[in-house]
Amino acid sequence: GENVEQHPSTLSVQEGDSAVIKCTYSDSASNYFPWYKQELGKGPQLIIDIRSNVGEKKDQRIAVTLNKTAKHFSLHITETQPEDSAVYFCAASFSSGSARQLTFGSGTQLTVLP
Amino acid sequence: SQTIHQWPATLVQPVGSPLSLECTVEGTSNPNLYWYRQAAGRGLQLLFYSVGIGQISSEVPQNLSASRPQDRQFILSSKKLLLSDSGFYLCAWNPPGGEQYFGPGTRLTVT
Repeated sequence: GENVEQHPSTLSVQEGDSAVIKCTYSDSASNYFPWYKQELGKGPQLIIDIRSNVGEKKDQRIAVTLNKTAKHFSLHITETQPEDSAVYFCAASFSSGSARQLTFGSGTQLTVLP
Repeated sequence: SQTIHQWPATLVQPVGSPLSLECTVEGTSNPNLYWYRQAAGRGLQLLFYSVGIGQISSEVPQNLSASRPQDRQFILSSKKLLLSDSGFYLCAWNPPGGEQYFGPGTRLTVT
């Protein structure tokens, strides 16, 4: 089955700096890669996703890049703000249109220091 | 717009007692539904998923079971809880082939 590794497990940055979280996956058939943000005591919130036919996707201060050859993808957050502090999860799946069985990374605790 | 509900929000149950957690989705039809467990604030583990009424797939053999009695209702159950069943239980849904969205979760503590 799919295995997703995520690094780093914790990340502290100064407000205004950039943050980068990296994930690798094992199954070359995976074609969908979402990122979730989870605040304490809440359910994960989808913040951005990318499909295997795209190399990069950007949404305001958040961007995701995908390298299919190397089987890794990354989340980039620019101009970080204290409200970006949360646990971030990457995930990977193969979907043929039916159930989307996501395999999650172990999470990154991001702390943005004011 | 679509919304997903879970209840209860928190639950404290003794070892050996039964469990029933409920998840409902509004504003869509024929969603794929999922139950995850999250221990110690990290690592989401897929427990069950369903692509239709009465159709349940189990990812991890364990003390839990799931049922889908209606199109937009997903239930997680146990006949006898174990201490190891403690955790944060998350329900999620997606339209076939679409993005997956999570509910607010249920915090279960087994004492």
